[in-house]
Amino acid sequence: DTGVSQNPRHKITKRGQNVTFRCDPISEHNRLYWYRQTLGQGPEFLTYFQNEAQLEKSRLLSDRFSAERPKGSFSTLEIQRTEQGDSAMYLCASSLEGGGSKQYFGPGTRLTVT
Amino acid sequence: GDSVTQMEGPVTLSEEAFLTINCTYTATGYPSLFWYVQYPGEGLQLLLKATKADDKGSNKGFEATYRKETTSFHLEKGSVQVSDSAVYFCALSASPSIYFGTGTSLTVIP
Repeated sequence: DTGVSQNPRHKITKRGQNVTFRCDPISEHNRLYWYRQTLGQGPEFLTYFQNEAQLEKSRLLSDRFSAERPKGSFSTLEIQRTEQGDSAMYLCASSLEGGGSKQYFGPGTRLTVT
Repeated sequence: GDSVTQMEGPVTLSEEAFLTINCTYTATGYPSLFWYVQYPGEGLQLLLKATKADDKGSNKGFEATYRKETTSFHLEKGSVQVSDSAVYFCALSASPSIYFGTGTSLTVIP
């Protein structure tokens, strides 16, 4: 059973550096989502893709954040000029198309900005 | 906007005690409602869901009923086990995204 995988699992970076995370969804899932979770909070929606098209972006996704899913399979989330406030767990999820479809979550990438 | 408010924790119970974690929601339309669980060191997992009013979701002895009149989706379990120790998130689907509550940490002691 190959679930959603994310790499790296942990990333420590200095303020001002750029970082990129990767998410590999379940292979037959055409929807892919990114969330951010800070300590003591629930995950917050950032953006989602249907196949290769990015269809919705949250106001939380500042212009320093960019996400891609070039071939409709894996996705990358890049944060440019990281700030300490970007420290969080970044979660990826995937699902089949359809309202209320079950989202399967990956283990997350924990980012620490020093 | 759509949102979820859930009971703050942490909650500590003895094994075999009854569990209730309260959850209320605000939404336009008729969202699907979920409970997700996050065990220590693991990713989020869907525990149960309900897609319309009066639906009851159930799994692993946990239950929650979609109450439109009280806009609630409280999680219950009659007899908790040590293995139920985890963080529980109430959530609603405003397709395509999911809005999560802040989570309730549950610790069950033997």
